[in-house]
Order: sequence, then C-alpha cells, then structure tokens
Amino acid sequence: DQQVKQNSPSLSVQEGRISILNCDYTNSMFDYFLWYKKYPAEGPTFLISISSIKDKNEDGRFTVFLNKSAKHLSLHIVPSQPGDSAVYFCAASGGGSQGNLIFGKGTKLSVKP
Amino acid sequence: GAGVSQTPSNKVTEKGKYVELRCDPISGHTALYWYRQSLGQGPEFLIYFQGTGAADDSGLPNDRFFAVRPEGSVSTLKIQRTERGDSAVYLCASSLTISPGTDTQYFGPGTRLTVL
Repeated sequence: DQQVKQNSPSLSVQEGRISILNCDYTNSMFDYFLWYKKYPAEGPTFLISISSIKDKNEDGRFTVFLNKSAKHLSLHIVPSQPGDSAVYFCAASGGGSQGNLIFGKGTKLSVKP
Repeated sequence: GAGVSQTPSNKVTEKGKYVELRCDPISGHTALYWYRQSLGQGPEFLIYFQGTGAADDSGLPNDRFFAVRPEGSVSTLKIQRTERGDSAVYLCASSLTISPGTDTQYFGPGTRLTVL
C-alpha cells in the first residue's frame, strides 16, 4: 500500500502561469516532506522541503504547502518556466522509515512556451 | 565539488548472472542510500549505511541482494542470480548525516540494469 501518492501522472501549463503539483500521504507520523525534481538520465535533485510542524515553506519561485489534517501537500511554482519541465517526486521521511525517503510515483510537468 | 557518481551507467546482463553496481558518494558524507526505480514508479528504498554498517536493509527484496561499504566511502550493491524483474534504474544517494529534514540526500545519475 502506497504511503505517498501522487495521483496526477502529468501536468501541462503555460509559461508564466502557476504550476500546482499535489501529493497525499497516509502515515501521520511522517515528520518531513520533500520535493525532488528529475530530468531524464539524471538522478533526482532536491528542490524544497517542509517540516511537519509548519504549513508553508517558500524558496524563490517554489512554495510548498502542508495541510496535516488532510494529509496533503502541494508544490506551487510561480511563474512556471520551460526549464521547469521535469518529473517531480514528492517524498516523506520519518514515521518508522528512519533516514530513508518514501517517494510517490511522480508527476511529469510540461511547461509550454 | 564532485557529486555522487555511479558506475557503470548502463549494465546489460543475462538472467542468472551476478552483477555489481558501484557508488562513490560525496566526500565526507557518512550516510549512503541505495534506491531502485522501476519504470513509472518513484525511487524505492533498498538499504542505507551510516558509516560502514548497514543501518537499515529492510528494503532489500530478497537474499539475492547484498550491499557493502567496507571503508565507509564507496559502496557496492551486489545482485546474485539476476532475474528479469531486477531490471530497473539503481540510484545511490549520500548525505552528511541521516537526518532527511536537515541533511539533503544528493543522488547520483543511476545505473540502468537490464536483465535479458
């Protein structure tokens, strides 16, 4: 049973608009949530994280929102750029997983010029 | 500085053969992780090391899989009697310590293993 779920396999947005990527989780004991970005033939690259005690974390064009009661987090990218086109993975740590990360299946974002 | 490197980048083998996949972590990183990514899936945890010892090997699918990190730096993932279902991209990551919330895991480019 998947503990981290990304239900949208793909998302397409226009350059300059907002991209919203969603993630749901089932384990209420997770203490950190992270977003990784992956280009083809490369390893995932860390983008942004949020502690379970916070509800928002912002870094430049990237903002992650956490709704613990709904066990839901989202990544907002504003404004979206063509270079943002990649697969985005939501990941969680804690809740018995110790140091390792539990990943969702990913959402492929396409930003069209 | 240099990132995480993995060799080979691609490995094609026949069913039943033995393979070794190598990971060179970022210098000074004490934690090292192996993940496996199958087509259409996210990375799936296999094992991680804190220094030389395997701190958690609960993700290894069966006893055909084994990993070592004898000197606390380079790690080798070993797969015996490979099966077609082992075909995947094997990712290695390293971090300064094992605190995912504060210490970023840096991933290598992966080794794509194909078992014919």
